[in-house]
Order: sequence, then C-alpha cells, then structure tokens
Amino acid sequence: EPEVTQTPSHQVTQMGQEVILRCVPISNHLYFYWYRQILGQKVEFLVSFYNNEISEKSEIFDDQFSVERPDGSNFTLKIRSTKLEDSAMYFCARGHQGAGYTFGSGTRLTVV
Amino acid sequence: QQQVKQSPQSLIVQKGGISIINCAYENTAFDYFPWYQQFPGKGPALLIAIRPDVSEKKEGRFTISFNKSAKQFSLHIMDSQPGDSATYFCAASNGGDYKLSFGAGTTVTVRA
Repeated sequence: EPEVTQTPSHQVTQMGQEVILRCVPISNHLYFYWYRQILGQKVEFLVSFYNNEISEKSEIFDDQFSVERPDGSNFTLKIRSTKLEDSAMYFCARGHQGAGYTFGSGTRLTVV
Repeated sequence: QQQVKQSPQSLIVQKGGISIINCAYENTAFDYFPWYQQFPGKGPALLIAIRPDVSEKKEGRFTISFNKSAKQFSLHIMDSQPGDSATYFCAASNGGDYKLSFGAGTTVTVRA
C-alpha cells in the first residue's frame, strides 16, 4: 500500500482552466511538499507546508498556485489558470523528520 | 543557479559491472544528501542518504562516497543488475525536512 496517494494519476485540462491535484499522505506528519518534473527534466521544488502553513516556496510557485489541507488529511495543490508550460508531473511528498521524503506516484498534468 | 550538478547524463553498464554517478554542490549549508531512484511513470524513491559527518555509507549494493572538502558526492552501484535500470537523482538540502535541490538526473541502462 503506497504511503502517499495522489489523484488523479493523469489529468488533461484546457489552458486557462483551474485544476486541483490531490494528495493523501497516510500517517500523521507535519511536513508536506509539492514538486514538479517537466518531462525529461529534473525534479523541482514548488512549496513546503509545515504545521498547516506554507513554510517555503520557490519562484515557480506564483500567485496562480495555492496549497491547502482542507480537512486535515487531504493535501491539495490548485493551479488557478493553467498555462501550457504547467504541463508536468506533479509529486506530493511527506517528510520523515530529518530522514528524507516519501514521494507519491505523481499526477501527470497535460494542458492543451 | 544550479545548486547541484550531476554527471553523467546517461550511462550504459554491463550486468555485473559498476555504475558510478557523480554530484557536486555549491551551498556549504547543505547537510543532507540523498539519492533517489525513479522508474518511468513513478515518483522518486529514496535509495540511500548520507550526512557530512561520514565519508562513506553502504547499503547492499549501493554506496555513497562523500568528500566534504571538494563538495562532491557519488553513488556507486556494485554488481549492476537489469532491474537497476532507472533514472537516478542526487539531491541536497539544509536539513532533512527542508526543500531538496535535485541534480539533473542520470539514466542508467544495465545490459544483460
């Protein structure tokens, strides 16, 4: 059973539409992250979320992005108005208190 | 600004051979250096990690060598197997719970 479950596994959306990517990190952890990976490129940090607040964000994480933990379990990444260049794999991860991360299997977002 | 540089981009090794991947970092505040293995369509999976207080760490066929003065670290895969064929990413962070800066990745192909 995966420790971090992401849904959907693949989403296709029209440019300009809003998308919400979901993550369910099993176990009660404080640190959560979103990363993205454009096809064939390296994994890039987007945002870290600690104790239900954003603790750090990258320059990629502009006003079009937001994160929430609406019900204390699910962890969401919202892109308000998608652009073609948002097409990528998006990975949720949870921290292990100094012992590294567990990544989910990712959501492939395709913006057309 | 590329905080972690990884080489080579790809390598091919015969079954039973040794795969060596090198990384160099710039930020002297980094104190956690993990390696991730990624199969197509999957999220990165933590393989092995090291902190700068040791120069080498071995787990099974995987060994990290760390040179603090040179700001370099490397992954050695001994007795490479076809199942090791994957993309390997080095990464670094300032503390195990903070954002990871990833290298560009190395695609390893093990020929039977």
